[in-house]
Amino acid sequence: GENVEQHPSTLSVQEGDSAVIKCTYSDSASNYFPWYKQELGKRPQLIIDIRSNVGEKKDQRIAVTLNKTAKHFSLHITETQPEDSAVYFCAASKTTGNTGKLIFGQGTTLQVKP
Amino acid sequence: KAGVTQTPRYLIKTRGQQVTLSCSPISGHRSVSWYQQTPGQGLQFLFEYFSETQRNKGNFPGRFSGRQFSNSRSEMNVSTLELGDSALYLCASSLVSGAHYEQYFGPGTRLTVT
Repeated sequence: GENVEQHPSTLSVQEGDSAVIKCTYSDSASNYFPWYKQELGKRPQLIIDIRSNVGEKKDQRIAVTLNKTAKHFSLHITETQPEDSAVYFCAASKTTGNTGKLIFGQGTTLQVKP
Repeated sequence: KAGVTQTPRYLIKTRGQQVTLSCSPISGHRSVSWYQQTPGQGLQFLFEYFSETQRNKGNFPGRFSGRQFSNSRSEMNVSTLELGDSALYLCASSLVSGAHYEQYFGPGTRLTVT
């Protein structure tokens, strides 16, 4: 079945350090992988996404890598800041059936200590 | 452009009652997906509507239903409410239906069933 495993569930780093969150998906037909950031009491916000035809994508301090063979993808945040503290969700979907059903990981609570 | 809006933001209902939640997508977006967010189960896909048609459905009982109107606004209904239905219900809109299209979330409706 469709499943996305996300690790770690919690992550604490010092301001300025890097943070890495990893996800593994089960359905090899998955070809779109977004990441969402959810601050306490707020809506999930799309921060970056990657499609299966690329291996890496970067946007300022955030980057995502994809390894289709191993069926895993990762979020990298460099030079972390206290405002990066939030819950981060990875997700996966596929074009089969032409729908936008997202399968989410369980989330990672990132704490950036000043 | 205005973002995705959801009404009401908070709702308290009693077991056995029914509830209707509303979602207005970003202007021009034609696809609306619904998700249930709970601490224990994370973010789970309920269903997706595109051009007034349900495109996909998650693993939820038939008590959960939805519809979409010609202006792309969507509603979801939960009948015979159970305590376990207490959750944050999020809708997300997308330009069209399909895995490669970004989904943008609304603020959610917090449903409490007593």
